[in-house]
Amino acid sequence: GAVVSQHPSRVICKSGTSVKIECRSLDFQATTMFWYRQFPKKSLMLMATSNEGSKATYEQGVEKDKFLINHASLTLSTLTVTSAHPEDSSFYICSARRFGAMNTEAFFGQGTRLTVV
Amino acid sequence: AQKVTQAQTEISVVEKEDVTLDCVYETRDTTYYLFWYKQPPSGELVFLIRRNSFDEQNEISGRYSWNFQKSTSSFNFTITASQVVDSAVYFCALTTNTGNQFYFGTGTSLTVIP
Repeated sequence: GAVVSQHPSRVICKSGTSVKIECRSLDFQATTMFWYRQFPKKSLMLMATSNEGSKATYEQGVEKDKFLINHASLTLSTLTVTSAHPEDSSFYICSARRFGAMNTEAFFGQGTRLTVV
Repeated sequence: AQKVTQAQTEISVVEKEDVTLDCVYETRDTTYYLFWYKQPPSGELVFLIRRNSFDEQNEISGRYSWNFQKSTSSFNFTITASQVVDSAVYFCALTTNTGNQFYFGTGTSLTVIP
């Protein structure tokens, strides 16, 4: 199956700094990528949908200025958590949809565990 | 609106027991897709199965089986002869052709005791 690589898998940062998480589709072109957030023992909640070459669409309640998403190419989307605070500590997962495919073909990255101290 | 409900938050079974994880979904779309994912402690989502709304045939894959019933909007997952390696959080999810995202249930944490 298709592979989506997410990096880093774990990151610890100091409060007030910014952290960038990368999501790459390794063997296919992804016109659409999705960013999810998972709180401990909770479900995955969609944060935003990013389309290559255009601005991301954020879900209600997600701060655009805090969670910057860039989808500069068909194989890479990045999520930058700006001025991170301890409450941003969470597990972030991306998924990518193959170009021309339906919703059924979304592949998930390995996730990034962010800890803000 | 789409919604997935996994009423079982946590389940513990003794190794070799069978266990069924429940999933109930809500959608007004006539075409939709249901999924089960396994999330081990490492965090990645492991794809287990996808089923579209027009295919109610039940499926068996090794010790795993799935029972899709449109009449009750359920898509239950059974593990036969459970093993310790089955311990994980299992998510049921729904997506449709009219939306972009996956709608996840809250997950069921399964612990298999040796």
